[in-house]
Amino acid sequence: EVQLVESGGGLVQPGGSLRLSCAASGFTFSSYSMKWVRQAPGKGLEWVSYISSSTSTIYYADSVKGRFTISRDNAKNSLYLEMNTLRAGDTAVYYCARERFPYSGNFYAIGYWGQGTLVTVSS
Amino acid sequence: DIVMTQFPDSLAVSLGERATINCKSSQSVLYSSNNKNYLAWYQQKPGQPPKLLIYWASTRESGVPDRFSGSGSGTDFTLTISSLQAEDVAFYYCQQYYSTPITFGQGTRLQIK
Repeated sequence: EVQLVESGGGLVQPGGSLRLSCAASGFTFSSYSMKWVRQAPGKGLEWVSYISSSTSTIYYADSVKGRFTISRDNAKNSLYLEMNTLRAGDTAVYYCARERFPYSGNFYAIGYWGQGTLVTVSS
Repeated sequence: DIVMTQFPDSLAVSLGERATINCKSSQSVLYSSNNKNYLAWYQQKPGQPPKLLIYWASTRESGVPDRFSGSGSGTDFTLTISSLQAEDVAFYYCQQYYSTPITFGQGTRLQIK
């Protein structure tokens, strides 16, 4: 059974930093591209970042570029999101997400989502 | 950026009736090299993460009831629920994965009339 478990969320002051982690199990982690997607309270879904299976390809939404860093450790079956210079607008539930199919150079729909971790940026 | 626009924003349908949600992309999400539309539909219930319903615009995910179907190509897409059940009350999102930034529609709230 595919499982994605996020951790690391919490309350942080504006300008602060936070590191999110996602522990993956139930599949060959090193074969899949991964994404972070966030959802502000009462709002829709917003893609944040993408990392290919071998980390050769990384993308960010413009709203987080230069402030957030995505990474992964295939030996530990883990995905990370380092978030710096946090703003009130970054307040959201952050979902770790796995693509539907193993990496092949194309993008795919999101086949599995974690339960999410809440990040609140407030003074 | 590809802008995804869903309509309506909210929809109320009687149990057993058909529900139709539309999604329009600001540019085509059809890849000519493989003739696939890079368009997915997700269902999200309160307090839960989204769940994949449809990918490649019309391929139903394993385990999804066959009352859910997707259609369309290029820039215009539709999610249809042929006979609404009480458990279908949720928000529905379309998403393009043709290019970055990957973008979602604003969501459609589906309720029972």
